[in-house]
Amino acid sequence: DAGITQSPRHKVTETGTPVTLRCHQTENHRYMYWYRQDPGHGLRLIHYSYGVKDTDKGEVSDGYSVSRSKTEDFLLTLESATSSQTSVYFCAISESLRRQGEYTFGSGTRLTVV
Amino acid sequence: DAKTTQPTSMDCAEGRAANLPCNHSTISGNEYVYWYRQIHSQGPQYIIHGLKNNETNEMASLIITEDRKSSTLILPHATLRDTAVYYCIVKETGNQFYFGTGTSLTVIP
Repeated sequence: DAGITQSPRHKVTETGTPVTLRCHQTENHRYMYWYRQDPGHGLRLIHYSYGVKDTDKGEVSDGYSVSRSKTEDFLLTLESATSSQTSVYFCAISESLRRQGEYTFGSGTRLTVV
Repeated sequence: DAKTTQPTSMDCAEGRAANLPCNHSTISGNEYVYWYRQIHSQGPQYIIHGLKNNETNEMASLIITEDRKSSTLILPHATLRDTAVYYCIVKETGNQFYFGTGTSLTVIP
C-alpha cells in the first residue's frame, strides 16, 4: 500500500544468522506493528510500537526484538534465525487511538531460514 | 481463546450478495467488531467496523444483531476480485488485534 513499505520483500538466510526486516511509513502514524503469518495460524502479533522508543511484546515475541528510533521506521530483528521463524512477516500502521483499529498493512516479507 | 467463530469457507456467485456470518457471543460492551480481508499473498485490508449500529461504506455493510452476539458482513454485488479470506475480529480500543483463520470466500463466475 502507498505509505508503507517493507524491505526486503524476500530473503533467504541461514540458521543462526541475524536478520533485520524494515518497515517504513510516510503517513506519520503513531502505531506500528509486526505480525507473522503461518499456515493454520492466521496472523500473530510479534511486537508493536505506540511511539518513538515505545514498544511492547505481542503474543509470539520470543526470538524477536524491535526498535523504533524514528516515527517512520520500525525494525524487526531476529537475533539468531531458526527454521521455525520461516514465515511471511507483515508490518501494519494505524493513525491514532480513536482510529487504532483501522490498520494499513504492508505487502509483506517472505523469510526463509535454511 | 477464540473470541469469534466463522465458517471455514463459503462460495458466492458473481454479482450476488455475499453474506459472511460471524459469532461473537462473549463480546463485551466496549469491544468493536472489525472486518478485514486478505487477498492471496497480499497484506490484510481493513473493510469496516462497528459497535452497536449497522454500518455501511463503499466496500461493504455490517449488520450487528441487537444483542451484539453475532454480525454479518455483506458485500452487495460480489466480484471475482472479492475472492479472499475474511477476518472477523472483536477488539476493545487500546487492545491488540488477534486474527483467527477467517472465512475463505470464493466468488464463482
